[in-house]
Amino acid sequence: DAGVIQSPRHEVTEMGQEVTLRCKPISGHNSLFWYRQTMMRGLELLIYFNNNVPIDDSGMPEDRFSAKMPNASFSTLKIQPSEPRDSAVYFCASSLRRLNTEAFFGQGTRLTVV
Amino acid sequence: DAKTTQPPSMDCAEGRAANLPCNHSTISGNEYVYWYRQIHSQGPQYIIHGLKNNETNEMASLIITEDRKSSTLILPHATLRDTAVYYCIVRVAENNAGNMLTFGGGTRLMVKP
Repeated sequence: DAGVIQSPRHEVTEMGQEVTLRCKPISGHNSLFWYRQTMMRGLELLIYFNNNVPIDDSGMPEDRFSAKMPNASFSTLKIQPSEPRDSAVYFCASSLRRLNTEAFFGQGTRLTVV
Repeated sequence: DAKTTQPPSMDCAEGRAANLPCNHSTISGNEYVYWYRQIHSQGPQYIIHGLKNNETNEMASLIITEDRKSSTLILPHATLRDTAVYYCIVRVAENNAGNMLTFGGGTRLMVKP
């Protein structure tokens, strides 16, 4: 398996534009997580899904952020409209929803909002 | 999940053992200790986890004290490629959150030649 695949790897956009980040989890994994990493706040969990259903989105910063998982092999994180403070590295991770298994992280998307 | 405390940074000489401590004094009986690391510009990578017994795998060893209030991750022969931020995470395995992880500040390990 190629691991968790995120696209794009880098995104530069202007303030106010819509940004969509994409994630393909490892085949067979039924839990998916979106994290954000900044220098100031470290790694923060934004939202996670079990079996394509959002379970906890309490980490989503505000209504400008939304995440979907239309099927087991694809998820998106959308920011609309984007703001400079959204600049960060966004990681997607997947795992089996089973006791004592590890989560596998993608390489991340570095987002810069100017 | 219980809170963890780690030193912000450590140095280690290449080829020597790196011993990374973690305090988790409020750990509960059903909480596991997990270690992940993040090499620069990459996503976090799982290393090892344990409940109360010491654990070893191809990457590292995990030593958990008898009272479970602290643990040590040991990289037996550190290489330059082990330079990374190491995160100690305590989490309940038996909940509906699956493998949800709460990351703290971690320890930045610098392996020097």
